[in-house]
Amino acid sequence: DAGVIQSPRHEVTEMGQEVTLRCKPISGHNSLFWYRQTMMRGLELLIYFNNNVPIDDSGMPEDRFSAKMPNASFSTLKIQPSEPRDSAVYFCASRLGGANYEQYFGPGTRLTVT
Amino acid sequence: AQKVTQAQTEISVVEKEDVTLDCVYETRDTTYYLFWYKQPPSGELVFLIRRNSFDEQNEISGRYSWNFQKSTSSFNFTITASQVVDSAVYFCALSALRGAQKLVFGQGTRLTINP
Repeated sequence: DAGVIQSPRHEVTEMGQEVTLRCKPISGHNSLFWYRQTMMRGLELLIYFNNNVPIDDSGMPEDRFSAKMPNASFSTLKIQPSEPRDSAVYFCASRLGGANYEQYFGPGTRLTVT
Repeated sequence: AQKVTQAQTEISVVEKEDVTLDCVYETRDTTYYLFWYKQPPSGELVFLIRRNSFDEQNEISGRYSWNFQKSTSSFNFTITASQVVDSAVYFCALSALRGAQKLVFGQGTRLTINP
């Protein structure tokens, strides 16, 4: 079975540009999470969705960040405009739901903003 | 508030040695889950184990074992007869069963197994 799919795997962009990260969760999973990993702050949750509905976006750093989940098989995380401090690895994870609390992570997108 | 502390930033051992990674957590929830994830040099996060706060039985999976002690809020991970392929960053994480079900991660322990 395919795991969580993220694209692109690497993104290099200039400050001020719009960046869109994409995620396809594992089929049948009803929760989706976006995390960011940096050396300074470690792994931190940005936002999560249950059944395509955003539940907790308290981790979204500021208005420059937005996330959508138009259907059960696709989600985007957008940064507009990007800044150098947004450079990080962004992970998407999905969870089956019910009594299954473990999250399965995608390979991540390494974002570099110059 | 929830917090996970992995006091060991880096550990380096020689192959075939046993090694224990420590994890201490804080939560006001009475029901919660604890997890361990592995992040190899390739960067992905690999789920290793989930433990329910109701279940304090230790678990063994091959060379891996986990010791959950609610009295000391610890969930330690031991690798027996370590191998070079075990080299990775290991994360301990906590999730409430109710409300926000996000994973709260520790800072990770970088484990290096030297041949």
